[in-house]
Amino acid sequence: DGGITQSPKYLFRKEGQNVTLSCEQNLNHDAMYWYRQDPGQGLRLIYYSQIVNDFQKGDIAEGYSVSREKKESFPLTVTSAQKNPTAFYLCASSISSGDYNEQFFGPGTRLTVL
Amino acid sequence: SQQGEEDPQALSIQEGENATMNCSYKTSINNLQWYRQNSGRGLVHLILIRSNEREKHSGRLRVTLDTSKKSSSLLITASRAADTASYFCATPPSGSARQLTFGSGTQLTVLP
Repeated sequence: DGGITQSPKYLFRKEGQNVTLSCEQNLNHDAMYWYRQDPGQGLRLIYYSQIVNDFQKGDIAEGYSVSREKKESFPLTVTSAQKNPTAFYLCASSISSGDYNEQFFGPGTRLTVL
Repeated sequence: SQQGEEDPQALSIQEGENATMNCSYKTSINNLQWYRQNSGRGLVHLILIRSNEREKHSGRLRVTLDTSKKSSSLLITASRAADTASYFCATPPSGSARQLTFGSGTQLTVLP
């Protein structure tokens, strides 16, 4: 899992509540990413950030929001507008320079909506 | 936007056998990456192959890339029970080398 931490490991939410998932990295990476993974599926990109104070929508951004106020941190908020938020959420980071960057992943947060 | 697709979806082999997984993609790429995911964990980068490379080795891993067929294969030799995991290929979508699009993965089970 490298130098990326995600918390909490498990999160339970009632319908209609917003929740924030934490992602911190100490790798000095410029780029950070949030993915969603559903059972037996691949990863889908929610949001990504190439630099502090800037972020871009991925393929499934609706119902999610992010901020990038510090290089080390990229929190994801799952809002009540997300219709089906139960999933496994993965945060990743990569060195921004160059075109051949591997991504380093955190251990993930499993979100369950009750 | 699904770029890479792995085949087969699931593979079960005996310890000591070789495992081969394939990945097909749709658009031109400058690199292709393979990742492993143990159940309930984050992904771990295994190997990156550039578009001008045809084959790359790393320990028991061998990756090939055929850009004319838009396909790649991952071979794990002399498999071990600890190789049991899901394996994903990942490619940058057109115009964005720093983002990656992941396939749906191959679930490999190595039986002791």
